[in-house]
Amino acid sequence: AQSVTQLGSHVSVSEGALVLLRCNYSSSVPPYLFWYVQYPNQGLQLLLKYTTGATLVKGINGFEAEFKKSETSFHLTKPSAHMSDAAEYFCAVSPSGAGSYQLTFGKGTKLSVIP
Amino acid sequence: EAGVTQSPTHLIKTRGQQATLRCSPISGHTSVYWYQQALGLGLQFLLWYDEGEERNRGNFPPRFSGRQFPNYSSELNVNALELEDSALYLCASSPGREVYGYTFGSGTRLTVV
Repeated sequence: AQSVTQLGSHVSVSEGALVLLRCNYSSSVPPYLFWYVQYPNQGLQLLLKYTTGATLVKGINGFEAEFKKSETSFHLTKPSAHMSDAAEYFCAVSPSGAGSYQLTFGKGTKLSVIP
Repeated sequence: EAGVTQSPTHLIKTRGQQATLRCSPISGHTSVYWYQQALGLGLQFLLWYDEGEERNRGNFPPRFSGRQFPNYSSELNVNALELEDSALYLCASSPGREVYGYTFGSGTRLTVV
């Protein structure tokens, strides 16, 4: 069984400040890991994903995340927040390899950016 | 390239009625996934269809059902609607059985009154 924990249902940062959204996962097999963003009244957009290889993953809109197996974490960061980053962010996990058809999502973190 | 399209955008139904939600995957994608996003409950996996067959379902009662057509589009049916079925229903598609190709649609907002 897999699970995802996102620490902080709501995070506020000032424009230009570092964005750090935390995600920890539990998985009995090596996972695939994802971050999605959801703007109001829209579906989910993939920001970045880790499947294999380099543990530091770069995504769209200046976001990146690092897979740390020892800490079972996949935190999302962005050096400088922009007003347009205000949205809800979801971390998700799936088992790697055959049968990796289902994503398990965290409960989401709503990011507010203060001008 | 057209993305995943869902219809209708909004749907209002009365308790006890049936709702039908539709999803057209990205061209070439054969797998379709349905998720429910209810307030306070997060995103819950509902159903997975691949090559016209139901491959897996989440922890939802049988009144949630669906199908996938030969053109890989999909339909989600919810029978005997209950107030707690009010949610955003999201459809996603992928090229095959590997999940790292997931693309989501914008969803159907179902409101049960």
